[in-house]
Amino acid sequence: KNEVEQSPQNLTAQEGEFITINCSYSVGISALHWLQQHPGGGIVSLFMLSSGKKKHGRLIATINIQEKHSSLHITASHPRDSAVYICAAGGGSNYKLTFGKGTLLTVNP
Amino acid sequence: IAGITQAPTSQILAAGRRMTLRCTQDMRHNAMYWYRQDLGLGLRLIHYSNTAGTTGKGEVPDGYSVSRANTDDFPLTLASAVPSQTSVYFCASSSGSQTGELFFGEGSRLTVL
Repeated sequence: KNEVEQSPQNLTAQEGEFITINCSYSVGISALHWLQQHPGGGIVSLFMLSSGKKKHGRLIATINIQEKHSSLHITASHPRDSAVYICAAGGGSNYKLTFGKGTLLTVNP
Repeated sequence: IAGITQAPTSQILAAGRRMTLRCTQDMRHNAMYWYRQDLGLGLRLIHYSNTAGTTGKGEVPDGYSVSRANTDDFPLTLASAVPSQTSVYFCASSSGSQTGELFFGEGSRLTVL
């Protein structure tokens, strides 16, 4: 069974800081997803990647298949980035995805 | 409707009662999923459907059933609710193939007393 570990569990930053959230998984995968969940809110897909790097605005996601590791970076963080960030990894179909427990990010003004 | 709609958004239910959580999508996605989210455990898959007419069991299927009569609708039924089914339930679908980007509903908060 694929195990997905996220670190840190909780992260507090000051506005403007560069943020990194890490995700490690134990078995080979075909895709890794990064999701965002605001407090009391729904879940939004940020990235889906299987290799290399993707960028969307101030968010960057990278994956190293050999090391079974992915990172989510936020540049110039803002209080509206405060949310839980969830990593999910799996092989083949989405029903085989294993989800991490999430990283709670708080960005203070 | 735009995206995925879940209903109800919140419900308090007596143990032993039957409950159906509704999920409708208008994106013509083939694959749909039901997850429960519990503090400290993350998202766990209950049931899934890769296409209309087919369903499969996820990680925590006991006490739940689903049906997929058409592409748009994927209801989740609790035949006889128990307190351990108190959770937030998310319906999702994926674009393109079964490995596509995930789209989530807003969630249904269910409390079983």
